[in-house]
Amino acid sequence: GQNIDQPTEMTATEGAIVQINCTYQTSGFNGLFWYQQHAGEAPTFLSYNVLDGLEEKGRFSSFLSRSKGYSYLLLKELQMKDSASYLCAVRDMDDKIIFGKGTRLHILP
Amino acid sequence: EAQVTQNPRYLITVTGKKLTVTCSQNMNHEYMSWYRQDPGLGLRQIYYSMNVEVTDKGDVPEGYKVSRKEKRNFPLILESPSPNQTSLYFCASSLLGSGQGHGYTFGSGTRLTVV
Repeated sequence: GQNIDQPTEMTATEGAIVQINCTYQTSGFNGLFWYQQHAGEAPTFLSYNVLDGLEEKGRFSSFLSRSKGYSYLLLKELQMKDSASYLCAVRDMDDKIIFGKGTRLHILP
Repeated sequence: EAQVTQNPRYLITVTGKKLTVTCSQNMNHEYMSWYRQDPGLGLRQIYYSMNVEVTDKGDVPEGYKVSRKEKRNFPLILESPSPNQTSLYFCASSLLGSGQGHGYTFGSGTRLTVV
């Protein structure tokens, strides 16, 4: 079956760094996405990885290891507005995008 | 502006009364999909479409219908809504093709309550 696991909740402090992990088992692999979703709003696209390694985009970076079925999203210099849910999603061999249940990130002042 | 337009934003209806949630995108995307989002369950795919007149079941299709008669529109139909279909619904679209970093563009969501 298809499975994407990520922690349910995490807490971090403003200005700090946090790493949100995601592991996946899917029918094939055609890329991994991270989305940010504020409460009651639509998810917004953050990053995409299809090859192993680190992709950096400002304060956010995303890492992928295909052999381990593992990814992480790294958020630096945390701001209060980063309080949100972060969704890991994998595109499988049929181009279907499967989402994890999301990690709710709380930022403390 | 490139966007996915979903209507209505909020809807309260009664059990058994047929309803349609509309979704339209202006980006010429081939791929469109409907998700429902429930607390603790995340986003679950209801139906998806890879092009006009091509639709497929997602993970939770029971009680829903879709159609894709035009590339831009992908309405979600609940023929006989029941309370367990109370949820937050999202329409999303993307370009098709593996190896491309084209994530979804999501609509603003429809909060449906069935009483």
